Amino acid sequence: SAVISQKPSRDICQRGTSLTIQCQVDSQVTMMFWYRQQPGQSLTLIATANQGSEATYESGFVIDKFPISRPNLTFSTLTVSNMSPEDSSIYLCSVADPNEKLFFGSGTQLSVL
Amino acid sequence: RKEVEQDPGPFNVPEGATVAFNCTYSNSASQSFFWYRQDCRKEPKLLMSVYSSGNEDGRFTAQLNRASQYISLLIRDSKLSDSATYLCVVRIGFQKLVFGTGTRLLVSP
Repeated sequence: SAVISQKPSRDICQRGTSLTIQCQVDSQVTMMFWYRQQPGQSLTLIATANQGSEATYESGFVIDKFPISRPNLTFSTLTVSNMSPEDSSIYLCSVADPNEKLFFGSGTQLSVL
Repeated sequence: RKEVEQDPGPFNVPEGATVAFNCTYSNSASQSFFWYRQDCRKEPKLLMSVYSSGNEDGRFTAQLNRASQYISLLIRDSKLSDSATYLCVVRIGFQKLVFGTGTRLLVSP
């Protein structure tokens, strides 16, 4: 199983600012996934981060709002830009093993005032 | 209609009870199925994959009914430590997983 370090674990931010979340994996992986879990909701995939190419965004998510970097096979960042209270959520990065099993970072709990 | 639907619960059961959760999915082309467990304020963790023939892992049994498009999870001899939210997860495309909203289980002494 992969070990994923995600930080920050939580943050409280002012509206209009941006937050960058970092995710470090202990092994090289082709794809990394960024999810959002809003209060009382399930996980929703934001985008898939591929090394060496632009991230692939799901319907309802755009690069200007959630820019993603993937500089190498063990690291990725997700930025939540121009935040509003509606962005308050838990953000999770994850990787999949060859058997399709997902392993998650511990999550970033974001509160926007 | 949601792609993956679960009864949100909560299911309140005493220790030692048997409890079952169901999950339905709408995409008949769904390819793989999983149950994840999520503790309060923690990240989800894989509990078990679900195979067409059904599979068991200790006190946990998972079943898949492709014709009716539902998945079930049975927990026998419930423990206090089983209290968590159980997420039904379906793969509908390459690396595309869809999560249900989860069923909350509370096991009491």
